[in-house]
Amino acid sequence: DGGITQSPKYLFRKEGQNVTLSCEQNLNHDAMYWYRQDPGQGLRLIYYSQIVNDFQKGDIAEGYSVSREKKESFPLTVTSAQKNPTAFYLCASSIGQTINQPQHFGDGTRLSIL
Amino acid sequence: AQSVTQLGSHVSVSEGALVLLRCNYSSSVPPYLFWYVQYPNQGLQLLLKYTTGATLVKGINGFEAEFKKSETSFHLTKPSAHMSDAAEYFCAVSEARKTSYDKVIFGPGTSLSVIP
Repeated sequence: DGGITQSPKYLFRKEGQNVTLSCEQNLNHDAMYWYRQDPGQGLRLIYYSQIVNDFQKGDIAEGYSVSREKKESFPLTVTSAQKNPTAFYLCASSIGQTINQPQHFGDGTRLSIL
Repeated sequence: AQSVTQLGSHVSVSEGALVLLRCNYSSSVPPYLFWYVQYPNQGLQLLLKYTTGATLVKGINGFEAEFKKSETSFHLTKPSAHMSDAAEYFCAVSEARKTSYDKVIFGPGTSLSVIP
């Protein structure tokens, strides 16, 4: 079955450490997204990519970085510059950049600070 | 500016009772509207969407929503709640932008509890 796989499910970060969250999709979708979810705040867009080798900042990109070297993969790095990284991170994809297409989500990675 | 509000961060209903989750939006152009459901420690799943055409939209698991332009609303309903409906529900709106990313805005979510 096609879908989005996020790993790991749980991740712990030490002070000053960069950590990378994996996101892989086999839906053949062009567009991919990273969201941060905090209680009571809904989803906030971190980065998005419409095509391989291209990505754009979302609303809360500071302290995060991404790459899109392959269509299937869109890893997110939480850098030490992100001072409040504890959250639930969701990766999503959609067919191209058409607004009437829904987004498909992975099961998320929960990041905590040690 | 685009925005989505969901009245009631938490809603409780009895099993078998009507489920009503409210969503209001603001958009400068005709919107595309979505409802997603999230079970604990999982991602979001699409329940239903409104793009054009019929304003009453039917989705999965017996849910439906009605687009009311005059009220800028897209409330989610289900005639009879089941225990398995307990989850977080998100309303989302997207609109086309000629000069930038066609953005999707998610509401803050409503947590639905079903009482046996």
